[in-house]
Formats: sequence, structure tokens, C-alpha cells
Amino acid sequence: AQSVTQLDSQVPVFEEAPVELRCNYSSSVSVYLFWYVQYPNQGLQLLLKYLSGSTLVKGINGFEAEFNKSQTSFHLRKPSVHISDTAEYFCAVSASNTGNQFYFGTGTSLTVIP
Amino acid sequence: EAGVTQFPSHSVIEKGQTVTLRCDPISGHDNLYWYRRVMGKEIKFLLHFVKESKQDESGMPNNRFLAERTGGTYSTLKVQPAELEDSGVYFCASSQIQGRGNTEAFFGQGTRLTVV
Repeated sequence: AQSVTQLDSQVPVFEEAPVELRCNYSSSVSVYLFWYVQYPNQGLQLLLKYLSGSTLVKGINGFEAEFNKSQTSFHLRKPSVHISDTAEYFCAVSASNTGNQFYFGTGTSLTVIP
Repeated sequence: EAGVTQFPSHSVIEKGQTVTLRCDPISGHDNLYWYRRVMGKEIKFLLHFVKESKQDESGMPNNRFLAERTGGTYSTLKVQPAELEDSGVYFCASSQIQGRGNTEAFFGQGTRLTVV
């Protein structure tokens, strides 16, 4: 089975500062990795995904994530955050043997402080 | 193109009552999923439809939950009778292709259910 750990439940950061949201996963098979974002009163929106190939993945709104197989991590980063990045961020994994079922972490609430 | 829509956005019911949540997937998406997030915890898989058939319902918590997808279009999730621990946000998602884990799913805004 797969599992995802997001150690940071809340991350406050000042505007224009860099941010890293941590995600670690556990799986006995190869996985696909995703980051979803939920803005207030909206649904989950895909930020980026890693399926194969380059381990550095770029997504929307200036976010990027790096897949590190040896450390089983997929941390999300942004060099300079904006007020509009305030949202909840979810890391998720799926595996080739579980169809399209996602396993999510508990989420990280990012608050950007002006 | 309309995204995944869920109705209602919020529902407050008393313990023992019945509630029905509805999900309209993106048109043409054969795959439909229900997930639930209990406050402060992870979003957990409930079940997966391919068209009108239940592909996987391993995440359904108990027999008080009944999901249907008649005609392979919209889906309903009924909770009867509701208990306090059923409170949470129920998400619906849809995808076009049943891949091997590498297919993006499109999520709705969720239904926040509160059982009092």
C-alpha cells in the first residue's frame, strides 16, 4: 500500500520569500506523484505531477517540485511567494497497481503574510 | 467546458437523518471517484465508478453509505442514517482515461457535511 506524509500542517511565510512544502511517501512499487492546491471555496486543482523522466517538475504559478527516489520525497518549492498563493496544498501518490486511486497527505496550509 | 460540480456545497443535518450528495462529472469522463476528508486528516478514497459500474468500493466506511451512478452520468452518495463521525468534506473527481495511476483527476469543490 501507499502512504503520504506531509509533516508541516501550517506554514506561514512572508510575501516574496521562498517556501518549501515537504512531502514524503512510502510505497513498495513505482509511484506517480502529484501536488494539488485548494484555494478558499474552490476545488482541488492540479499544480504539477511527476510521471517519469526529469526529476525536476515545473507546474503552474511558478511552483516546482523535485522527485527524489532515494529519499522518497517530492517537496514543493517556490522562490518567491505572493499573497494569492495562500491556500491548502496536498501531496498525492498513485501507483500502477491501484488504477487511478490517489493516496493523499494531510495537507499543508500555506499562509502568505504581507 | 464545465468542471466537476457538486451539490450542495454545504449541508448541516441532525444525527439519524439522511443526506444525499450529488456529483456531476466532466462530460465524457467515464471514471468517477468519491473521496472524503475528515477534519485535519488526509483525503481518503471512498470508491470508483467506471461508467455505471462500481470498479472499486474498498474505501466505503460501512453500509450506511450508498453510491450510485445510474446511466453512467452523475453520481449520488447517500448517507443513511448519518452519524457524527460522517462529518467532513466529500470530494468528487472524474477522469477520462482509466490509466495505471498516471492519469490526472479533476476535482469538484467538495460538499461540506456537518452532522450535529
